[in-house]
Amino acid sequence: DQQVKQNSPSLSVQEGRISILNCDYTNSMFDYFLWYKKYPAEGPTFLISISSIKDKNEDGRFTVFLNKSAKHLSLHIVPSQPGDSAVYFCAVNTGNQFYFGTGTSLTVIP
Amino acid sequence: EAQVTQNPRYLITVTGKKLTVTCSQNMNHEYMSWYRQDPGLGLRQIYYSMNVEVTDKGDVPEGYKVSRKEKRNFPLILESPSPNQTSLYFCASSLNTVGGGAHNEQFFGPGTRLTVL
Repeated sequence: DQQVKQNSPSLSVQEGRISILNCDYTNSMFDYFLWYKKYPAEGPTFLISISSIKDKNEDGRFTVFLNKSAKHLSLHIVPSQPGDSAVYFCAVNTGNQFYFGTGTSLTVIP
Repeated sequence: EAQVTQNPRYLITVTGKKLTVTCSQNMNHEYMSWYRQDPGLGLRQIYYSMNVEVTDKGDVPEGYKVSRKEKRNFPLILESPSPNQTSLYFCASSLNTVGGGAHNEQFFGPGTRLTVL
C-alpha cells in the first residue's frame, strides 16, 4: 500500500519558469511533510518541510503547500534553474516512521 | 564535516552469504534509519532506531537485521541474502523525530549498491 504517491515520474521546465511537483498521501494523521532532492550517485538531501498545522512554508525559491482536505502536497520552485535538475521525493512522517513517494525527475532546460 | 558514511559503496555477493553494511554518523544524532530504493517503488524504510539499543521495524523489514550498540553506528545485516534484496540502500540519521523542522530532517549517506546473484 503506497502511503504517498507522486503520479508524475518526470517533468520538464524551461529555465526561469515555475516548477510544480505534486504529491498525494492517504493518511490524514501524518505529522510532517518533507521534500528531498536527489542527484545521481548521491544520497537524498533535505529541501524543505511543513508541519500538518500549516498550509504553506517558504524558503528562498522553494515553497511547499499543504492542502489537508485534499491530502495533497506540492513543491513550487521559482525561478527554476538548471542546477535544480534532480529527482524529487516527497516524504511524510508519523511518529518515528517515514514514507517516501516514488519520485519525480525534474529537468530544467537552459 | 557532518556526514553519514556507508561501507561498502558497492557489493556483489551470492545467495545465502551473510553480509553487513556499515553506517556511521558524526552528528550525535539519536535517530537512524535504513532505506532501500527500487525502481517504481521509491524509498522504503527497512528499520529505524530511536536511540542506543532501541530499534523497530519499518515498512519492509523481512530478511534484514539491525543493531544499535553505539549512538554513531547502525549496521544493516543480511543473514541470508536473496536476489530480491538486490537494491540501492541508504542509511540516514536525524536529531530525532520530535517537533519537526531540524529534528526530523534526515541526513542520508551516499548509498550502497547491492547485487545478490
